[in-house]
Amino acid sequence: KNEVEQSPQNLTAQEGEFITINCSYSVGISALHWLQQHPGGGIVSLFMLSSGKKKHGRLIATINIQEKHSSLHITASHPRDSAVYICAVRGGGADGLTFGKGTHLIIQP
Amino acid sequence: EPEVTQTPSHQVTQMGQEVILRCVPISNHLYFYWYRQILGQKVEFLVSFYNNEISEKSEIFDDQFSVERPDGSNFTLKIRSTKLEDSAMYFCASRARGRYNEQFFGPGTRLTVL
Repeated sequence: KNEVEQSPQNLTAQEGEFITINCSYSVGISALHWLQQHPGGGIVSLFMLSSGKKKHGRLIATINIQEKHSSLHITASHPRDSAVYICAVRGGGADGLTFGKGTHLIIQP
Repeated sequence: EPEVTQTPSHQVTQMGQEVILRCVPISNHLYFYWYRQILGQKVEFLVSFYNNEISEKSEIFDDQFSVERPDGSNFTLKIRSTKLEDSAMYFCASRARGRYNEQFFGPGTRLTVL
């Protein structure tokens, strides 16, 4: 069974700061997802990674398969980036995703 | 852009009552999932469904739960006799054949058991 750990659990930063959220997992995977959850509760998929790096606007996601680690970066952070960011993995023979506890990000103006 | 939809957005029920949560997956998707998130906790996998059968389920998915695809579009999760601890956000997801790593999530149904 895969264990997914995220850090930090909570992060408060000032607008404009560079943000990094980390995710590590215990068992080899076929893919890792970064998801965003706003206070209303809905989940939005940001990235799916199986290797390397992806970029979408101000968001960058990287994964190191050998180290079983991924990072989500936000450049030029903005208050609208405030949300819970969740890492989830698929692998270890399972079809369903295994989720981390999430990182609660607050960007202050 | 096609999306997964769920109804209702919020359901309130009394303990012991049966509830059915509904999902309409993306139309050409063949693999379906239910997840739940108890308030303040992480999202947990419940069940996956393909070809009218459960393909995988977690230890959470006990005899109180069942899933069904009653017609060509809906995918439902039934809780037979709700308990207080069933209060959670329930998310449906779907994916296409061959797209093993790409699940699309619905907006969720918030279930409150009183």
